[in-house]
Amino acid sequence: EVQLLESGGGLVQPGGSLRLSCAASGFTFSSYAMSWVRQAPGKGLEWVSAISGSGGSTYYADSVKGRFTISRDNSKNTLDLQMNSLRAEDTAVYFCAKDRYNTKSRGFDFWGQGTLVTVSS
Amino acid sequence: QSALTQPASVSGSPGQSITISCTGTSSDVGGYNYVSWYQHHPGKAPKLMIYDVSNRPSGVSNRFSGSKSGNTASLAISGLQAEDEADYYCTSYTSSSTVVFGGGTKLTVL
Repeated sequence: EVQLLESGGGLVQPGGSLRLSCAASGFTFSSYAMSWVRQAPGKGLEWVSAISGSGGSTYYADSVKGRFTISRDNSKNTLDLQMNSLRAEDTAVYFCAKDRYNTKSRGFDFWGQGTLVTVSS
Repeated sequence: QSALTQPASVSGSPGQSITISCTGTSSDVGGYNYVSWYQHHPGKAPKLMIYDVSNRPSGVSNRFSGSKSGNTASLAISGLQAEDEADYYCTSYTSSSTVVFGGGTKLTVL
């Protein structure tokens, strides 16, 4: 059974940093691209970042480029999102999502339950 | 990276059929057959309903179907049921190798 479990959310001040993690199990982790998707309060889903199965290719939404860094450890089956220079508009539930393929995103077939990040002073 | 355009809301009575549109550009929806649709009940994880424009994952009811014409993709739901009431989102792969979501459509089953 595929399981994705996010952790690391919490309250952080504007300008601060936070690192989210996603522990994956139930599938060959290195064979699939992974993404982070977020949902701000009362808003829709927004794709944040993706990483290929090998970790060699990374992609970012314009809204987080230069501030967030996605990474993965295929030996530990974990996906991370390092978030720096956080802003109030980064407040959201962050979901870890497994892609159906290794590279080009063709649909997220499994999702975690999400972790809440609140950026506020 | 502009969001794909979806209607904010649609509604239908039990047993009826509805369609949700998702309009993008030639750099996303129109350029690739990599459109997906998700059902999202608030507080839960989103669920993949359609991938690659018109394919259903195992376990998804055949009441759900997807299609695409030009820069617009569509999700059709037939035989509406109370449990179909949720938010629905489309996504597409883009020419920048990123993913773009639609703004979401709230489906109300009357």
